Amino acid sequence: AQTVTQSQPEMSVQEAETVTLSCTYDTSESDYYLFWYKQPPSRQMILVIRQEAYKQQNATENRFSVNFQKAAKSFSLKISDSQLGDAAMYFCAYRSFMNRDDKIIFGKGTRLHILP
Amino acid sequence: NAGVTQTPKFRVLKTGQSMTLLCAQDMNHEYMYWYRQDPGMGLRLIHYSVGEGTTAKGEVPDGYNVSRLKKQNFLLGLESAAPSQTSVYFCASSYSHGPYTEAFFGQGTRLTVV
Repeated sequence: AQTVTQSQPEMSVQEAETVTLSCTYDTSESDYYLFWYKQPPSRQMILVIRQEAYKQQNATENRFSVNFQKAAKSFSLKISDSQLGDAAMYFCAYRSFMNRDDKIIFGKGTRLHILP
Repeated sequence: NAGVTQTPKFRVLKTGQSMTLLCAQDMNHEYMYWYRQDPGMGLRLIHYSVGEGTTAKGEVPDGYNVSRLKKQNFLLGLESAAPSQTSVYFCASSYSHGPYTEAFFGQGTRLTVV
């Protein structure tokens, strides 16, 4: 069974600085999707970025980018120029690409604090 | 376009009572999921469905039942609520394939069992 591990329960970063959140996963599949979700205090789950495993190029969305290392099964999220609005819980998630009976598996999350 | 809608948003139950959480999506998604979120535990999958009339167990299915009689609705039932089921429950839905395979979430239901 696939698993997703986020080893940093909490992190802090100074406003305008860069921070990297870690995520590792375990799978025997070759094709899959990876996601980062943000959950602010409003509780809403917001997609930050997605990565298809078959793509070599790392995904980017404005200030958010990923470092996808398929062989190492690592999927870290880099937030550049951190803003106060980035304070939230961040979840890494995995989804199988080929298996119809798939499910989306989440890590335990990393709470990110932004220091003014 | 409402997306994924959960009802109710808040609920307090007494131990042993039953209730049903309703999830409705208007995006014609094939897949639907129920998760629970507890502090330090992330989102854990309770049950999911890959199509109308089908359901499957997730990571923490005990004490819950589900039904998906219509494609757009996914119901989560608690037959006899226990304090351990105090949690925030999220419903989500997704396409089965294609470029946008992420889950779209409802706003969550905070359930307290006393």
